[in-house]
Amino acid sequence: EVQVVESGGGLVEPGGSLRLSCTVSGFILTNAGMTWVRQAPGKGLEWIGRSKSKNDGATTDYAAPVKGRFTIVRDDSKDTVYLEMTSLKIEDTALYYCTTAPYGLFDYWGQGTLVTVSS
Amino acid sequence: QSVLTQPPSASGTPGQRVTISCSGSSSNIGSNYVYWYQQFPGMAPKLLVYKNNQRPSGVPDRFSDSKSGTSDSLAISGLRSEDEADYYCAAWDDSLSGWVFGGGTKLTVL
Repeated sequence: EVQVVESGGGLVEPGGSLRLSCTVSGFILTNAGMTWVRQAPGKGLEWIGRSKSKNDGATTDYAAPVKGRFTIVRDDSKDTVYLEMTSLKIEDTALYYCTTAPYGLFDYWGQGTLVTVSS
Repeated sequence: QSVLTQPPSASGTPGQRVTISCSGSSSNIGSNYVYWYQQFPGMAPKLLVYKNNQRPSGVPDRFSDSKSGTSDSLAISGLRSEDEADYYCAAWDDSLSGWVFGGGTKLTVL
C-alpha cells in the first residue's frame, strides 16, 4: 500500500525557516517524481515545486512565489523528500501537501502538514 | 488570480448531470493533459479523471472529462449527495514550467 506522510509543520515567525519532511512507503522513491502543493486556509490549491526522479534528471522546479526561498531536497535512501523553507512570509501560511502527482494515475497525497507564519 | 479559470460554484439536483468548466491557454490545457481533483473539507485532494477519461480504480464512470482546444470540462452524471465537494482542474504549463490549478468550484447538491 502506498503511503505519503508529511511532518514538520508548526508556528514560525516571519523571516524564519522551517523544514518539512515527506516520508513515503509502498514504492521506490528513486523512481518517482515528487511534488509539493499548498493550500492557504479557505483557499485553493497552489503548486510549489517538484523534484524529478533520477531517471528524469533529478532536477527541481519551483513556482515564482517561492523560488529562491524554498528548496526541495530528496534522500532516496531514507524514502524522504524535504521542503526547506527560508525567509518565510505571512502569506506562506498554508497546509502543505506532498504528492506523487502529476504522473498519470500514480497519484497519491499525504494528509498535509500545517505551517503558520505569524509573529 | 488562478492561471486556469473555473466557476466558483455549481449546483444540481440528485440524478442530474452537471458540468464544471476549466479554461486555460495554449501553454497549459492546449498542450498538456488536464487533471481533475475532488476535495472534501479537511481531506486531501483525490484524483478523479485525466487524459481521455482515465480514472483511478474506484472512481465511478459517472465522472468524465472532455477537452476542446484550451478548455476542458468535468461532467458528473447521476448526481448524488455525496458528490458535494470542491473540484479543481490542473495542468502543466509549459511557459511557466510549473503545474497550475484552477481556483476551484464548490459543487452543491440541492
